[in-house]
Amino acid sequence: DIQMTQSPSTLSASVGDRVTITCRASQSISNWLAWYQQKPGKAPKLLIYKASTLESGVPSRFSGSGSGTEFTLTISSLQPDDFATYYCQQYNSSFGGGTKVEIK
Amino acid sequence: EVQLLESGGGLVQPGGSLRLSCAASGFTFSSYAMSWVRQAPGKGLEWVSSISGSSVTTYYADSVKGRFAISRDNSKNTLYLQMSSLRAEDTAIYYCAKDQRFWGQGTLVTVSS
Repeated sequence: DIQMTQSPSTLSASVGDRVTITCRASQSISNWLAWYQQKPGKAPKLLIYKASTLESGVPSRFSGSGSGTEFTLTISSLQPDDFATYYCQQYNSSFGGGTKVEIK
Repeated sequence: EVQLLESGGGLVQPGGSLRLSCAASGFTFSSYAMSWVRQAPGKGLEWVSSISGSSVTTYYADSVKGRFAISRDNSKNTLYLQMSSLRAEDTAIYYCAKDQRFWGQGTLVTVSS
């Protein structure tokens, strides 16, 4: 089975910061990767699919890149609503362990 | 509007069984693969199982293989997860999901004596 490894597990940042989260696959998954945002008590929300395609309605400050085994999610200027936990997922399969973005 | 509504969660003893349902609406159910994802209290997301639109293909996480069975009834627009030999570590909120885009609100399964 393909393992997904996310880093860091926790990230402390301030409003306006540029934030980057990394996700690594144990073997190539091409671009079959999604990124989600989850807030407490809520279902995950899709942000990025096919590694770099922004989901409709998601602010343009979110972007995704990568292919094969290494992927990144970038938030260009962190906003108050962005403090949450972020997950990567190989399509219809394993998730990364999550990255909690906290207020610094 | 796509809607996914899970049901069937509850308290069950270790070793017991439970069947979850996910009622789908707002799209052509038979045309889409569906998945179950779970989240233990305070933990991350864990993919559990997926099934193709025609039920021909099913996939399971190693942690549930041989104990859980995913199925669907396209005439009823409903997805199922039959869970048996339940363990304390199966305690979680169980979500059904369509594509990566649409998720239900989740149903809580608690395995405890």
